[in-house]
Amino acid sequence: GAGVSQSPSNKVTEKGKDVELRCDPISGHTALYWYRQSLGQGLEFLIYFQGNSAPDKSGLPSDRFSAERTGGSVSTLTIQRTQQEDSAVYLCASSPRPGQGAYGYTFGSGTRLTVV
Amino acid sequence: AQKVTQAQTEISVVEKEDVTLDCVYETRDTTYYLFWYKQPPSGELVFLIRRNSFDEQNEISGRYSWNFQKSTSSFNFTITASQVVDSAVYFCALSGSNSGTYKYIFGTGTRLKVLA
Repeated sequence: GAGVSQSPSNKVTEKGKDVELRCDPISGHTALYWYRQSLGQGLEFLIYFQGNSAPDKSGLPSDRFSAERTGGSVSTLTIQRTQQEDSAVYLCASSPRPGQGAYGYTFGSGTRLTVV
Repeated sequence: AQKVTQAQTEISVVEKEDVTLDCVYETRDTTYYLFWYKQPPSGELVFLIRRNSFDEQNEISGRYSWNFQKSTSSFNFTITASQVVDSAVYFCALSGSNSGTYKYIFGTGTRLKVLA
């Protein structure tokens, strides 16, 4: 597609439930990133996928968070047993090639997650 | 450790005024990259500029200009003759060669309100 697409745009879930957030990167972009934007905070790095290499998961805040990228394209971020502190906007970004972070990403519009 | 500080939480100006958004960074990397992103109400982050640590030349793009000063670890952003459409949250970000250029450290953002 023309841009990075994320779905759903908004998600309200009950505490303790699992949620899945989806990201469709720009076609042909091999690098994909997830960031989290909490209220009043800057963006926090979560995970980075680079082609077929092992992802950098160093930013995932707990083992309740996981992400996968199937076929080098679509990525899903899963949060298990959601907690209220998970409420945030989850942003996905992609770039044409690995290491292109130095040239700026293209971000999606994000998924606003609210845990009640 | 890497850190980006945007001390101005919110700025309000009247249309046609000039406004400067401050960004101060900390890094031990000798090679690093600095960015500015704009986040309009729609939510997606829009890439504005990238600067690498070896290039201290100031940059001007239309009404936008950036002042990079390594001596003060600052990368400030000035909008000349502001317009209502400039209203957004602006984020400064840093990535370093040692931690991976794909892993951005964002400031907490500055919300700019341009009043008609």
